[in-house]
Amino acid sequence: EVQLVESGGGLVQPGGSLRLSCAASGFSFSYYWMSWVRQAPGKGLEWVANINQDGSEKYYVDSVKGRFTISRDNAKNSLYLQMKTLRAEDTAIYYCARSARPDYWGQGTLVTVSS
Amino acid sequence: QAVVTQEPSLTVSPGGTVTLTCGSSTGAVTSGHYPYWFQQKPGQAPRTLIYDTSNKPPWTPARFSGSLLGGKAALTLSGAQPEDEAEYYCLLSYSGAPVVFGGGTKLTVL
Repeated sequence: EVQLVESGGGLVQPGGSLRLSCAASGFSFSYYWMSWVRQAPGKGLEWVANINQDGSEKYYVDSVKGRFTISRDNAKNSLYLQMKTLRAEDTAIYYCARSARPDYWGQGTLVTVSS
Repeated sequence: QAVVTQEPSLTVSPGGTVTLTCGSSTGAVTSGHYPYWFQQKPGQAPRTLIYDTSNKPPWTPARFSGSLLGGKAALTLSGAQPEDEAEYYCLLSYSGAPVVFGGGTKLTVL
């Protein structure tokens, strides 16, 4: 059974940093692109970033370029999202998803940026 | 960046049929956009319903189908059930850029 479990969310002040993690199981993690998708409160889904199988290709939505970094550790079956210089508009549930076009989703972790 | 458009809301009667559409600001949606459809119920994570225009994961009920219709991607629900009330999102892929979600369609079964 494919499982994706996010962690690392929480309350952070504007300008702060946070690192999200996603633990994957039930499939060959190193074979798949992986993605982060977010959803602001009461809003729709927004693709944030994705990464290829060996981490050599990374793509970001314009609003997070230069502030967020996606990475992965295939030995640990884990995906990460390092977020810096956080803004109020980054407040959202962040979902980890398998593949560049998501087929399996985690349950999400809430990031709140507020003073 | 391309904009992906969906109907903000639709209503269907129980047992009825409804079609949700997904358009692109760049022109006609084709199979090369690899249209995906997701269902999201309140308080839950999204769930993939349709991939690559018309293919279904094992968990997708037979009453859901995907297609291309009039230059858009389409999700048709035939025989709506109360449990189908949810938000539905489409996703399109573009060359040179990853993926873009539509704004979502709130489907009411009433």
